[in-house]
Amino acid sequence: EAGVAQSPRYKIIEKRQSVAFWCNPISGHATLYWYQQILGQGPKLLIQFQNNGVVDDSQLPKDRFSAERLKGVDSTLKIQPAKLEDSAVYLCASSLLGTGANVLTFGAGSRLTVL
Amino acid sequence: AQSVTQPDIHITVSEGASLELRCNYSYGATPYLFWYVQSPGQGLQLLLKYFSGDTLVQGIKGFEAEFKRSQSSFNLRKPSVHWSDAAEYFCAVVMDSNYQLIWGAGTKLIIKP
Repeated sequence: EAGVAQSPRYKIIEKRQSVAFWCNPISGHATLYWYQQILGQGPKLLIQFQNNGVVDDSQLPKDRFSAERLKGVDSTLKIQPAKLEDSAVYLCASSLLGTGANVLTFGAGSRLTVL
Repeated sequence: AQSVTQPDIHITVSEGASLELRCNYSYGATPYLFWYVQSPGQGLQLLLKYFSGDTLVQGIKGFEAEFKRSQSSFNLRKPSVHWSDAAEYFCAVVMDSNYQLIWGAGTKLIIKP
């Protein structure tokens, strides 16, 4: 089966600019996750979707980050305006269900550098 | 507070030697436990998981892990490492009803030739 697709793989922007990342999960996976991984740290959940509804966005900096999954399939994560501390890898993952006994499949990630 | 600890930031092992990466968690009940590996420039790949049953679980690439309830640990092992095992390893745990994964900070494995 095809994996989780993410684009772009790399993006360099200046602070205060905007950026968008795209994710296409594994076909049939109802749950989609966006994680932020800062160098040297474990992934931090930004937002979790179940189909096209938001399950958890408690750690999403809503003043600058937004995400949508309008048709319950692919998803876009946007940052506007970007700050230096947003430099990180943004990982998208998907799973069949959102329950605990569930395996996440990750994409290769989108590496953002904010100058 | 619920937490996952990987005490070793870096571990250096000679090729062919055995490996053990430590993972401890703080939680009163039995969690769901995972080990993921991240190769440079790649996403995270599941190595193995424990939900219930036999406390010694086998994973991909020759890895195994043992759940020890008394020690709140889920250490990852491999009898003989290969240069291709050089990567960062993350322990992740689901500990409560919101089903969120809590991640350790990772252990970077360096292989000496």
